[in-house]
Amino acid sequence: EAQVTQNPRYLITVTGKKLTVTCSQNMNHEYMSWYRQDPGLGLRQIYYSMNVEVTDKGDVPEGYKVSRKEKRNFPLILESPSPNQTSLYFCASSPQGTVYEQYFGPGTRLTVT
Amino acid sequence: AQTVTQSQPEMSVQEAETVTLSCTYDTSENNYYLFWYKQPPSRQMILVIRQEAYKQQNATENRFSVNFQKAAKSFSLKISDSQLGDTAMYFCAFMKDFGNEKLTFGTGTRLTIIP
Repeated sequence: EAQVTQNPRYLITVTGKKLTVTCSQNMNHEYMSWYRQDPGLGLRQIYYSMNVEVTDKGDVPEGYKVSRKEKRNFPLILESPSPNQTSLYFCASSPQGTVYEQYFGPGTRLTVT
Repeated sequence: AQTVTQSQPEMSVQEAETVTLSCTYDTSENNYYLFWYKQPPSRQMILVIRQEAYKQQNATENRFSVNFQKAAKSFSLKISDSQLGDTAMYFCAFMKDFGNEKLTFGTGTRLTIIP
């Protein structure tokens, strides 16, 4: 089954404790992206990747890091989480260079206390 | 930069009725793509319908159709014969033509179908 998976689905952590949210897709997509969803703001792009070893900032990259060492994986790293990073996070992927549907993961609910 | 505006935070409609969700956007691009995504309580993002700006014909998908007015930069979603399963948050989204396939989202409209 073609899908984007994220882990964990739910996470409660404390300020300053490094964490990683994993994202993996099995569709051989070049393009992958991370969004965060906040009430009243919709979804906003954090980082994106056009292909392996190619990443760039989206609209709200502060406090986040990403890496793309393999085509299928695109982890989101919070080196020192803060309460303002409490949010719902989505990973998405699509083929590069065409406007196909972006496939979204199931979301990760992160709470930073 | 592109912006997407959804001016209706919440709507409700009786089951089997028709409802229209509004979306306006601002861009200087000539070629672009517009989307409506549905987010049910499961939080999954589901593509409802897509419209290419270069196409004059409005997109339709079963009970879902759009009214695309390029000059007015308007992209409304019409849901006909609404069903209880249509209860969800609906997001309008914009994508430039290729390059970074970033979706710029509106703030969403929470739609409730009343039995």
